[in-house]
Amino acid sequence: EIVLTQSPATLSLSPGERATLTCRASQRVSTSVAWYQQKPGQAPRLLIYDASNRATGIPARFSGGGSGTDFTLTISRLEPEDFAVYYCQQRANWYTFGQGTKLEIK
Amino acid sequence: QVQLVESGGGVVQPGRSLRLSCAASGFTFSRYSIHWVRQSPDKGLEWVAVVSYDGSKKYLADSVKGRFTISRDNAKNTLYLQMNSLRVDDTAVYYCVREQWLVFDYWGQGTLVTVSS
Repeated sequence: EIVLTQSPATLSLSPGERATLTCRASQRVSTSVAWYQQKPGQAPRLLIYDASNRATGIPARFSGGGSGTDFTLTISRLEPEDFAVYYCQQRANWYTFGQGTKLEIK
Repeated sequence: QVQLVESGGGVVQPGRSLRLSCAASGFTFSRYSIHWVRQSPDKGLEWVAVVSYDGSKKYLADSVKGRFTISRDNAKNTLYLQMNSLRVDDTAVYYCVREQWLVFDYWGQGTLVTVSS
C-alpha cells in the first residue's frame, strides 16, 4: 500500500497570506496525485488532479506541483472560505489518501 | 448538475447487515465507474469499492473483501453497497463518488453507518 504523509498537520495563517501544503508518497507515483478540500459537514471537493491540473471551477489561486514522491498544494492568497482541511490522494496503485492538513485562521 | 444522494445508513449491531444506495442524476450514469469511499475519525478517508460503468468489473478493498458487495442498476441510475458481517471498525460516513479518468470528480453528501452493540 502506498502511504501518503501530509505536513504540517495544522497550518495557522491569516487571510491574504500564502499557504503551502506538502504530501509525500512512500513510493513513486509519477503525477498521479489529487488534492481535495473538505469543510465541516461537507464531502471532499476535488481541487487538483494529476498533480497540477485545476478541476472545473477551481480558482486560479490554487495550484499544485510535484512528481515522483513529493507534491505541493499552494494557495497564493488565502480567502476566508479557504480555511478547511485538505487531503492528497494517489491513484498510481489503487487509491489511498493522506491524513489531512487543517488550514486554520491565525 | 451532477448529484449523488446516498441513503440507507443507520445504527446496526456487529455481525448484522445493511444496504446502502446512491441515487445519481444530472449525468449519464451508465458511462461512469462509481466508487464507495468511507471516512472515519480513526482511519480518515479510505477507498472501499468500485464498479465499472457497465457493472462487469468490481473491486473491493482487502478490509471489506468477502463481506461487502458493490452493484449497480443502470436502468434506475442507482449504485448499491451490500454490507454483511459488519464490524465496529466499519463505522464511518460512506460516500458515493463518481470517477472520471481515475479522478474522483463528484462526491455525494454521505450517509453515516454506526456499528455498535
